[in-house]
Parts: sequence; C-alpha cells; structure tokens
Amino acid sequence: EAGVTQFPSHSVIEKGQTVTLRCDPISGHDNLYWYRRVMGKEIKFLLHFVKESKQDESGMPNNRFLAERTGGTYSTLKVQPAELEDSGVYFCASSQARKGSIQYFGAGTRLSVL
Amino acid sequence: GENVEQHPSTLSVQEGDSAVIKCTYSDSASNYFPWYKQELGKGPQLIIDIRSNVGEKKDQRIAVTLNKTAKHFSLHITETQPEDSAVYFCAASDNDMRFGAGTRLTVKP
Repeated sequence: EAGVTQFPSHSVIEKGQTVTLRCDPISGHDNLYWYRRVMGKEIKFLLHFVKESKQDESGMPNNRFLAERTGGTYSTLKVQPAELEDSGVYFCASSQARKGSIQYFGAGTRLSVL
Repeated sequence: GENVEQHPSTLSVQEGDSAVIKCTYSDSASNYFPWYKQELGKGPQLIIDIRSNVGEKKDQRIAVTLNKTAKHFSLHITETQPEDSAVYFCAASDNDMRFGAGTRLTVKP
C-alpha cells in the first residue's frame, strides 16, 4: 500500500513568486492535514480536510495560503505571493478517522524562499 | 488550544545508555499521545502511542509513560543504538494533534 506522497520534495523560489505543493494521502483516508515546521520549532498545524471540506483552517498563517482538496482525493497548498518567512518544511498527513487516530506523514516539501 | 512543551531540545548519549524525552501538555481533554521519529530526509513516523486510560506502554526497547494528573508524558529508550539517532516529536490530541518542538537525539557509538 502506498504511503502519503508529497511533491515536490524541495522547492526554491524567490520572494513574490507562487508555489504549489501537492499531497496524495493514503487511499481511503478521509482526513488530510497540512503542517509546517520552521527550523528548530514545533510541527505546527495549518489545516484539516475531511474529504473535500475544510474542517479546521485555524492554523493558516494568512490569506496568502490557499489549500484545496477537490474531489476529496489529493490536496494542494498554494502560497501566493511567497514571503521569506514562509520558508520551512511542509508536511502532509492523512488518517482514517479524526479523533485519536494515527496520522501517517509524507516526507515533506522543503520550501526555501530567497 | 493545546500547547505542548518538549524537553530537551537536544540529547546526546553513548550507545547502550538510556534516553528520556519529556513532554507536558495543557489541555486536559487530550486523550491520545503519539511519539514520532523523524530520520533525515523522511517524514515523521509513529513509533509508539498511548491513550489516556493507560499509564504505561512498552514495545521492546521503547516505553512511554503518561501522568494525566500532572499532564506530562515521557519517552524512554533503553539500550540505545546509533540507528536511534533522529529527531523525536511528542504530540497530544483530543480532536486535532499538536506537536512539541522536537528533540534531536544523537547516539554515539
């Protein structure tokens, strides 16, 4: 069974450009989460999808970030326009249930904004 | 919301020694406490978890303890090996999961 896959693994862009990250969850997992880790800090929650619906987007930093999950399968996270402080590793995770359920993580996308 | 504190941020031990990582949480409603291990170039992988109706759980060289009254839980690794070197994250969850800042464990051969 394929795990959570993320693309690209690494992205280097200039300030002001746009970047789109993609996450393919484990097949059958309705719950999909986006997280971000800035160097040395916690893995910070960004948002949570249940199927195609945004269940909780309280962690999204600002309106430069847009997440979608059309059809309830893969998800994209777009940053437009990117700022220096957006640099970090963006993780996606998926789970079967929400409450008290194991979350399976992808390898992450390392975003560097120069 | 939930706030998870994790200590220490770095830990270096000699091969064969034990390693202990401690976390505290703030939300008494949290009832699921997983530990993740992240190796270089990979995503966090679950290594052990504990639920609030259990005080201790062990899996070979890894054990986790939970004190709900004090709102803290710990990861214990015995007989450490170089391949245990990684960043370890604790987390606490009621509905959504909140993570600690991570502990970089180095096991020296």
